Amino acid sequence: QKEVEQNSGPLSVPEGAIASLNCTYSDRGSQSFFWYRQYSGKSPELIMSIYSNGDKEDGRFTAQLNKASQYVSLLIRDSQPSDSATYLCAVRESDSSASKIIFGSGTRLSIRP
Amino acid sequence: DVKVTQSSRYLVKRTGEKVFLECVQDMDHENMFWYRQDPGLGLRLIYFSYDVKMKEKGDIPEGYSVSREKKERFSLILESASTNQTSMYLCASSLVAYGYTFGSGTRLTVV
Repeated sequence: QKEVEQNSGPLSVPEGAIASLNCTYSDRGSQSFFWYRQYSGKSPELIMSIYSNGDKEDGRFTAQLNKASQYVSLLIRDSQPSDSATYLCAVRESDSSASKIIFGSGTRLSIRP
Repeated sequence: DVKVTQSSRYLVKRTGEKVFLECVQDMDHENMFWYRQDPGLGLRLIYFSYDVKMKEKGDIPEGYSVSREKKERFSLILESASTNQTSMYLCASSLVAYGYTFGSGTRLTVV
C-alpha cells in the first residue's frame, strides 16, 4: 500500500515567520510531487509542483524534494493569516495507468497575528 | 485556466434514491477522478477514468458507479443512497504527469 505521511498538526506559526510543512512517501519510483492548499469548506487548490531534487520557489512558497530520503517539504515565508488552511502533500504513483495521485491526510496550519 | 464544474454545490436526498453527480471539465483532460472527503479520513478515491468509456475502481467503489460517455463529462452515480454516503464529493481532472484540478465540490446529505 503506497502511502504519503504528514503530521496532522495543528501547526501554529506567528505572522511573518516561516512555516515549514513536511511529508514522506513510500513509492520510490514516484517522479511528481504536489502541494495543495485547502481552506475550510472549499476544494483543494494546487499551489506547487516539483519534479526534480532540490528547491523550487514561487513567490513566498518554496517546495523542497529529496528523492533519496523520500521527503518533500513546503516552506511559506512571511506567513500571513490568509495562509491558515490545511496543506495536502500529494505524490503521483509511479505505475498508474491514469496517473493517480496519492494524497496525505493534510497538515492544518494556523497563522497567529 | 482549467475549469472543472460540478453541477450542484449542495444536495439533499432521501435514503434509497438514485443520485447523479455531474462533473464537466473544459480542457480536454484525459483523466478524471471522483473522491469523497470526510473529517479525519482525508481524500478517498471512489472511481477514476483515463479515457472515454474507460473506468477503474478506486479504494472505496462500493455503492457507487460511474459513467464517462464523453471526454469532458464524468458522472458519479449512487445507486441507492444511504446515510453513510453523506459527504463532500470532489471531482478532479488532469493531463498525464500534471497535478489535478478540482471542482468546487458537492456537499451531499442523505436523510
